[in-house]
Amino acid sequence: GAGVSQSPSNKVTEKGKDVELRCDPISGHTALYWYRQSLGQGLEFLIYFQGNSAPDKSGLPSDRFSAERTGGSVSTLTIQRTQQEDSAVYLCASTPRAGGTEAFFGQGTRLTVV
Amino acid sequence: RKEVEQDPGPFNVPEGATVAFNCTYSNSASQSFFWYRQDCRKEPKLLMSVYSSGNEDGRFTAQLNRASQYISLLIRDSKLSDSATYLCVVNGMLASGGSYIPTFGRGTSLIVHP
Repeated sequence: GAGVSQSPSNKVTEKGKDVELRCDPISGHTALYWYRQSLGQGLEFLIYFQGNSAPDKSGLPSDRFSAERTGGSVSTLTIQRTQQEDSAVYLCASTPRAGGTEAFFGQGTRLTVV
Repeated sequence: RKEVEQDPGPFNVPEGATVAFNCTYSNSASQSFFWYRQDCRKEPKLLMSVYSSGNEDGRFTAQLNRASQYISLLIRDSKLSDSATYLCVVNGMLASGGSYIPTFGRGTSLIVHP
């Protein structure tokens, strides 16, 4: 597709389970970002991938969170042993290159931990 | 101190009104600046970039004051369809990770009523 694609669009999981969220960026975009948006809050940066460089993980809130980007394209965000405070919308964005350009967002994955 | 600060509002204005939003940022090394719009339960989308000389796009005018680390957005002749949350975005280097990351303000809510 032409835009950033995220799946699933909604995910309900039980506390303590692991979840995987997927992001397929715009073809050719080298930079990929994950953000988290809790209800009524702003976007919280989680992790950033740029080409083949080591990711910037400085925004990950705990070691239960991890992400991969395979082949410089699709990215997976994994949350282990989910907690209720992990409930949020997880947004992925991509840009053609690092810094200074418009970020294109996917529609997000709404995660609910019950 | 948050890196990007905005008045959350809501700003409740009648159709046809002029409304202004402000944003301040803390990182003086920030390189690029944007306003995004986010509709309820949707992903953020670029409204306009912000340039040092100021720029206008139809009813929207953006200004940047680097010395004061201040960004503004002016909306003239407000329409009902302008009702949304407006996000101030700054590409600033994160001290911990060393990357230029789009950093989002919490957003300012605008409600335009008939």
